[in-house]
Order: sequence, then structure tokens, then C-alpha cells
Amino acid sequence: SAVISQKPSRDICQRGTSLTIQCQVDSQVTMMFWYRQQPGQSLTLIATANQGSEATYESGFVIDKFPISRPNLTFSTLTVSNLSPEDSSIYLCSAQGADEKLFFGSGTQLSVL
Amino acid sequence: GIQVEQSPPDLILQEGANSTLRCNFSDSVNNLQWFHQNPWGQLINLFYIPSGTKQNGRLSATTVATERYSLLYISSSQTTDSGVYFCAVGGRETSGSRLTFGEGTQLTVNP
Repeated sequence: SAVISQKPSRDICQRGTSLTIQCQVDSQVTMMFWYRQQPGQSLTLIATANQGSEATYESGFVIDKFPISRPNLTFSTLTVSNLSPEDSSIYLCSAQGADEKLFFGSGTQLSVL
Repeated sequence: GIQVEQSPPDLILQEGANSTLRCNFSDSVNNLQWFHQNPWGQLINLFYIPSGTKQNGRLSATTVATERYSLLYISSSQTTDSGVYFCAVGGRETSGSRLTFGEGTQLTVNP
């Protein structure tokens, strides 16, 4: 199984600013994803982080608001831009292992004031 | 897109009891996984099971793809089993890696 380190674990940000979340996997993986989990709710896929090319965004999520980088097979970042209180949520990095299983980081809890 | 329904939404058990959680999905899938989110928020992958039956200790899962449902069985439940159980599926129209999550079953196991 892949071990995923995600940071920061939590942050409190002012509206209008941005937060960048880092995700490091302990082995090379083909597929990496970013999810959002709002309080008490299920997970929603934001985008697929593609190595060396632009991320693939799900309906309702756009690159200007959620720019994603993936410079190599073990690392990705998600930036949440122009923050508003509605962006307060948990953001989760995930990676697909060789056995098709999806593994998750411990999440970043974002609060926007 | 594919729809995922989990039942029951909430379940309260006494320690030692058995339970069955259900996941229904609206279309053919080539990827189905069960996760446990513990009270601290960490998601643990329990099973990758697009079809057939698997067992891991006190947990087992069965997916009947032709009838579009999966079941997660928890036997001899323990307080550490508490948390939210999610079913997630990937449809054939995509690579199958992009998963859609159900709303989850909140399980509470009392001592």
C-alpha cells in the first residue's frame, strides 16, 4: 500500500488569500486525485492530477480556483485560490496503488475567516 | 453520472454484534471499493472488489455486479469499528479510476 503524506494538516486563512496543499507519496504512482469533503458529508472528486500535463477537472471545479501541479510521479500540490468561507472544508489527496486500491492522505482541514 | 446509494445511513450496535452494510449503484462498474473513515478522519481502504467475494479478518465483502450492489459484512463488531463506511465506484465510461462516493453509513459500536 502507498503511504501518503499531506501538509499542512490544518490551516486558518483570511478570505481572498490562497492556500497550497502538498501531497507526497512514498512510491511512484500513476494516478493521483484531489477530493473535497465538506463537514459531515461524503467525498467529492475535484480533479485528477496528471503528471507533466494539466489536471482533469470534474464538473463544478475550475483551474483558476483550484490550480493543481504534478511535476513527477510522487508529488502533487493543490492550491485553493481567492478563498471564501464556502471553501472551508477538508481537502484530501489520494493515489491509486498497483493493486488498484485508492489510498488517502490524512487530509487538510481548511477554515476561512 | 453513476449514482451510489448506501444503506442504512446510520447504524448503532452493541459490541459483538454482526452487521451488513449495502451499496447500490445505478450502472455497470469496473471499480468498487469500500473505505472506513475513523473518528479522526483518516480513510482506510478495506476492499477493492468490483466483483466476487473477499474476506479480511472480521470483515468480508461481496459484489454482485450484474445486480448492481455490494455488501460489506462486519462480524463480532468492536468499538474500534465505529466511524463512517463509504462505498465508492468507478464506471465503465471512464477509466474506472475516478471514483464516485456514496453518502456513507455512520456506524456506532457501543461497549
